[in-house]
Amino acid sequence: ETGVTQTPRHLVMGMTNKKSLKCEQHLGHNAMYWYKQSAKKPLELMFVYSLEERVENNSVPSRFSPECPNSSHLFLHLHTLQPEDSALYLCASSRGSLRLEGYTFGSGTRLTVV
Amino acid sequence: EDKVVQSPLSLVVHEGDTVTLNCSYEVTNFRSLLWYKQEKKAPTFLFMLTSSGIEKKSGRLSSILDKKELFSILNITATQTGDSAVYLCAVDLMRGAQKLVFGQGTRLTINP
Repeated sequence: ETGVTQTPRHLVMGMTNKKSLKCEQHLGHNAMYWYKQSAKKPLELMFVYSLEERVENNSVPSRFSPECPNSSHLFLHLHTLQPEDSALYLCASSRGSLRLEGYTFGSGTRLTVV
Repeated sequence: EDKVVQSPLSLVVHEGDTVTLNCSYEVTNFRSLLWYKQEKKAPTFLFMLTSSGIEKKSGRLSSILDKKELFSILNITATQTGDSAVYLCAVDLMRGAQKLVFGQGTRLTINP
């Protein structure tokens, strides 16, 4: 375990469904991130939250909606997804300005849209 | 546009061989370069490099950064099957929260 926990580990959803991905960290970090990892493509940054405020939204379609209720929890709400959204969604956290160790990643949620 | 390029994309070697993985970058406001190992899902941190020419070492793994030529290499000596993984290179940009730009990764397979 890395200290960053993601649930569920696997998710299959239809294009009309609404679901949420959850990420939790108890490392005392103050920045949290969502990344998308598709086959044969680099990890793509989706959202950055620093001190619970969204500081970056990397041109992500509105069918992905993040929520950060406190510094330990991050959600990604999904609705009306497309098959091309199938990917591994990775959550990460960091100490923000104290950048000595890079990110700590969770194990990801493998999402399949059917 | 900030870009990180890794090569090769895929590498298959025999146990005991030495491998060198490459990472080049073109970014604005470089802060540091990081290497991660991704075996199943969660990438795990290997090294962070901020200064040119200073080698970082951890067991059989070592890495060095060249800020003039804008690249880094990751060396693994006496490879073992447990080294099989995707190795990710990322650059931290000097912009607010720690935003990493990743390369595509190198898939390394070590055959017994």
